[in-house]
Amino acid sequence: QKEVEQNSGPLSVPEGAIASLNCTYSDRGSQSFFWYRQYSGKSPELIMFIYSNGDKEDGRFTAQLNKASQYVSLLIRDSQPSDSATYLCAVKYSSASKIIFGSGTRLSIRP
Amino acid sequence: DTGVSQNPRHKITKRGQNVTFRCDPISEHNRLYWYRQTLGQGPEFLTYFQNEAQLEKSRLLSDRFSAERPKGSFSTLEIQRTEQGDSAMYLCASSAGRGDIGETQYFGPGTRLLVL
Repeated sequence: QKEVEQNSGPLSVPEGAIASLNCTYSDRGSQSFFWYRQYSGKSPELIMFIYSNGDKEDGRFTAQLNKASQYVSLLIRDSQPSDSATYLCAVKYSSASKIIFGSGTRLSIRP
Repeated sequence: DTGVSQNPRHKITKRGQNVTFRCDPISEHNRLYWYRQTLGQGPEFLTYFQNEAQLEKSRLLSDRFSAERPKGSFSTLEIQRTEQGDSAMYLCASSAGRGDIGETQYFGPGTRLLVL
Protein backbone atom coordinates (compact mmCIF):
# COMPACT_ATOMS: atom_id res chain seq x y z
CA GLN A 1 0.00 0.00 0.00
CA LYS A 2 1.35 3.38 -1.01
CA GLU A 3 1.90 5.80 1.82
CA VAL A 4 0.33 8.76 0.02
CA GLU A 5 -2.48 8.10 -2.45
CA GLN A 6 -3.84 10.42 -5.10
CA ASN A 7 -6.14 9.85 -8.05
CA SER A 8 -3.93 10.21 -11.10
CA GLY A 9 -6.66 11.89 -13.17
CA PRO A 10 -6.84 13.64 -15.49
CA LEU A 11 -9.40 15.77 -13.73
CA SER A 12 -11.12 18.10 -16.19
CA VAL A 13 -12.78 21.21 -14.81
CA PRO A 14 -14.38 24.10 -16.73
CA GLU A 15 -12.79 27.52 -16.41
CA GLY A 16 -14.22 29.47 -13.48
CA ALA A 17 -15.36 26.37 -11.60
CA ILE A 18 -13.98 24.88 -8.39
CA ALA A 19 -11.38 22.12 -8.76
CA SER A 20 -11.22 19.63 -5.90
CA LEU A 21 -8.11 17.49 -5.44
CA ASN A 22 -7.92 14.74 -2.88
CA CYS A 23 -5.19 12.84 -1.05
CA THR A 24 -5.14 10.11 1.59
CA TYR A 25 -2.20 9.00 3.70
CA SER A 26 -1.50 5.88 5.68
CA ASP A 27 0.62 6.97 8.66
CA ARG A 28 -1.27 8.50 11.56
CA GLY A 29 2.02 9.97 12.78
CA SER A 30 2.06 12.35 9.84
CA GLN A 31 2.61 15.91 10.97
CA SER A 32 2.51 18.32 8.05
CA PHE A 33 0.89 18.22 4.65
CA PHE A 34 1.98 20.07 1.56
CA TRP A 35 0.52 20.77 -1.85
CA TYR A 36 2.92 21.35 -4.71
CA ARG A 37 2.10 22.26 -8.30
CA GLN A 38 4.24 20.89 -11.11
CA TYR A 39 4.03 22.01 -14.71
CA SER A 40 5.17 19.55 -17.35
CA GLY A 41 8.97 19.38 -17.47
CA LYS A 42 9.37 21.71 -14.50
CA SER A 43 10.13 21.16 -10.83
CA PRO A 44 7.52 21.21 -8.04
CA GLU A 45 6.59 24.58 -6.57
CA LEU A 46 4.91 24.95 -3.21
CA ILE A 47 1.30 26.11 -3.13
CA MET A 48 0.63 25.80 0.58
CA PHE A 49 0.94 23.60 3.66
CA ILE A 50 -1.41 22.68 6.48
CA TYR A 51 -0.91 20.93 9.82
CA SER A 52 -4.08 21.59 11.83
CA ASN A 53 -7.46 20.02 11.26
CA GLY A 54 -9.82 22.24 9.30
CA ASP A 55 -9.40 24.67 6.45
CA LYS A 56 -6.57 26.99 5.48
CA GLU A 57 -7.13 29.58 2.77
CA ASP A 58 -4.58 31.37 0.61
CA GLY A 59 -6.04 33.39 -2.23
CA ARG A 60 -7.91 31.07 -4.58
CA PHE A 61 -6.56 27.99 -2.81
CA THR A 62 -8.01 26.25 0.25
CA ALA A 63 -6.39 23.24 1.89
CA GLN A 64 -8.52 21.01 4.07
CA LEU A 65 -7.20 18.49 6.60
CA ASN A 66 -9.06 15.73 8.44
CA LYS A 67 -6.59 13.74 10.52
CA ALA A 68 -9.24 11.32 11.81
CA SER A 69 -9.99 10.27 8.24
CA GLN A 70 -6.34 10.67 7.15
CA TYR A 71 -7.49 12.87 4.33
CA VAL A 72 -6.25 16.14 2.89
CA SER A 73 -7.67 18.08 -0.02
CA LEU A 74 -7.00 21.17 -2.10
CA LEU A 75 -9.74 23.35 -3.54
CA ILE A 76 -8.99 25.80 -6.33
CA ARG A 77 -11.67 28.44 -6.81
CA ASP A 78 -12.25 30.31 -10.06
CA SER A 79 -10.07 27.84 -11.95
CA GLN A 80 -7.94 29.33 -14.72
CA PRO A 81 -6.27 27.62 -17.70
CA SER A 82 -2.93 28.44 -16.05
CA ASP A 83 -3.94 26.10 -13.19
CA SER A 84 -3.61 23.15 -15.58
CA ALA A 85 -0.76 21.15 -14.06
CA THR A 86 -0.02 18.12 -11.90
CA TYR A 87 -0.75 18.63 -8.22
CA LEU A 88 1.39 16.71 -5.78
CA CYS A 89 0.33 15.95 -2.23
CA ALA A 90 3.22 15.46 0.20
CA VAL A 91 3.33 14.32 3.81
CA LYS A 92 5.94 14.89 6.50
CA TYR A 93 6.18 12.51 9.42
CA SER A 94 6.81 13.85 12.89
CA SER A 95 10.07 11.97 13.37
CA ALA A 96 11.66 12.63 10.02
CA SER A 97 12.70 15.48 7.84
CA LYS A 98 11.93 13.93 4.49
CA ILE A 99 8.56 14.30 2.85
CA ILE A 100 6.72 11.56 1.02
CA PHE A 101 4.99 12.46 -2.21
CA GLY A 102 1.95 11.00 -3.87
CA SER A 103 2.01 10.30 -7.59
CA GLY A 104 0.10 13.48 -8.36
CA THR A 105 -3.23 14.37 -9.94
CA ARG A 106 -3.26 15.88 -13.42
CA LEU A 107 -5.67 18.79 -13.59
CA SER A 108 -6.91 20.23 -16.86
CA ILE A 109 -8.91 23.45 -16.95
CA ARG A 110 -10.98 23.65 -20.12
CA PRO A 111 -11.89 27.11 -21.48
CA ASP B 1 18.55 34.60 -8.38
CA THR B 2 18.55 33.27 -4.82
CA GLY B 3 16.74 29.99 -5.42
CA VAL B 4 18.08 26.45 -5.59
CA SER B 5 20.24 25.88 -8.65
CA GLN B 6 21.26 22.62 -10.30
CA ASN B 7 23.79 21.79 -12.97
CA PRO B 8 23.73 20.48 -15.56
CA ARG B 9 20.10 20.84 -16.53
CA HIS B 10 20.31 17.96 -18.98
CA LYS B 11 22.70 15.04 -19.27
CA ILE B 12 22.82 12.30 -21.88
CA THR B 13 25.23 9.47 -21.22
CA LYS B 14 25.93 5.95 -22.35
CA ARG B 15 25.25 2.99 -20.16
CA GLY B 16 28.21 2.22 -17.91
CA GLN B 17 29.48 5.79 -17.71
CA ASN B 18 29.69 7.80 -14.49
CA VAL B 19 27.80 11.07 -14.07
CA THR B 20 27.90 13.79 -11.42
CA PHE B 21 25.28 16.40 -10.68
CA ARG B 22 25.65 19.53 -8.59
CA CYS B 23 23.15 21.35 -6.39
CA ASP B 24 23.54 24.79 -4.82
CA PRO B 25 20.89 25.35 -2.15
CA ILE B 26 19.37 28.62 -0.99
CA SER B 27 22.22 30.26 0.88
CA GLU B 28 20.80 30.30 4.40
CA HIS B 29 19.36 26.77 4.20
CA ASN B 30 21.24 24.07 6.11
CA ARG B 31 19.19 21.08 4.93
CA LEU B 32 19.59 19.70 1.46
CA TYR B 33 17.64 16.84 -0.15
CA TRP B 34 17.95 14.76 -3.28
CA TYR B 35 14.94 13.20 -5.00
CA ARG B 36 14.42 11.22 -8.17
CA GLN B 37 11.32 11.54 -10.30
CA THR B 38 10.25 9.34 -13.18
CA LEU B 39 7.41 10.00 -15.60
CA GLY B 40 3.99 9.86 -14.00
CA GLN B 41 5.34 9.52 -10.48
CA GLY B 42 5.93 11.91 -7.64
CA PRO B 43 9.47 12.66 -6.46
CA GLU B 44 11.05 9.79 -4.51
CA PHE B 45 13.35 10.62 -1.62
CA LEU B 46 16.98 9.57 -2.05
CA THR B 47 18.98 11.23 0.73
CA TYR B 48 19.32 14.35 2.84
CA PHE B 49 22.01 16.39 4.57
CA GLN B 50 21.98 18.59 7.62
CA ASN B 51 24.95 20.84 7.01
CA GLU B 52 27.71 18.43 5.89
CA ALA B 53 26.27 15.34 7.63
CA GLN B 54 24.33 12.84 5.53
CA LEU B 55 21.56 11.88 7.95
CA GLU B 56 19.35 9.57 5.92
CA LYS B 57 19.61 7.45 2.80
CA SER B 58 16.78 5.68 1.02
CA ARG B 59 16.87 2.02 0.02
CA LEU B 60 16.66 3.42 -3.51
CA LEU B 61 20.20 4.73 -3.14
CA SER B 62 22.14 1.70 -4.33
CA ASP B 63 25.90 1.27 -4.00
CA ARG B 64 26.30 2.98 -7.37
CA PHE B 65 24.95 6.23 -5.96
CA SER B 66 26.92 8.51 -3.68
CA ALA B 67 26.18 12.00 -2.43
CA GLU B 68 28.38 14.50 -0.68
CA ARG B 69 28.09 17.94 0.84
CA PRO B 70 31.68 18.57 1.88
CA LYS B 71 31.44 22.05 3.33
CA GLY B 72 27.78 22.16 4.13
CA SER B 73 27.04 24.32 1.11
CA PHE B 74 26.71 22.77 -2.36
CA SER B 75 26.15 19.05 -2.84
CA THR B 76 27.05 16.53 -5.52
CA LEU B 77 25.26 13.35 -6.50
CA GLU B 78 27.32 10.80 -8.42
CA ILE B 79 25.99 7.77 -10.23
CA GLN B 80 28.58 5.18 -11.19
CA ARG B 81 28.15 2.64 -13.99
CA THR B 82 24.87 4.14 -15.11
CA GLU B 83 22.03 1.89 -16.19
CA GLN B 84 19.05 2.70 -18.40
CA GLY B 85 16.83 2.49 -15.34
CA ASP B 86 18.66 5.49 -13.91
CA SER B 87 17.04 7.73 -16.52
CA ALA B 88 14.95 10.21 -14.56
CA MET B 89 14.75 13.79 -13.34
CA TYR B 90 17.03 14.32 -10.34
CA LEU B 91 15.69 17.03 -8.08
CA CYS B 92 17.47 18.88 -5.32
CA ALA B 93 15.62 20.76 -2.59
CA SER B 94 16.67 22.78 0.43
CA SER B 95 15.03 23.92 3.62
CA ALA B 96 15.91 26.19 6.51
CA GLY B 97 16.28 23.33 8.99
CA ARG B 98 14.83 25.18 11.98
CA GLY B 99 12.49 22.29 12.75
CA ASP B 100 9.33 24.33 12.19
CA ILE B 101 6.21 22.23 11.73
CA GLY B 102 5.66 23.78 8.33
CA GLU B 103 9.30 23.62 7.27
CA THR B 104 9.12 23.83 3.53
CA GLN B 105 11.41 22.32 0.95
CA TYR B 106 12.14 24.47 -2.09
CA PHE B 107 13.07 22.67 -5.26
CA GLY B 108 15.65 23.44 -7.89
CA PRO B 109 14.93 23.08 -11.63
CA GLY B 110 16.24 19.52 -11.73
CA THR B 111 18.74 17.62 -13.84
CA ARG B 112 17.20 15.41 -16.49
CA LEU B 113 19.32 12.31 -17.08
CA LEU B 114 18.98 10.06 -20.09
CA VAL B 115 21.02 6.87 -20.19
CA LEU B 116 21.32 5.36 -23.65
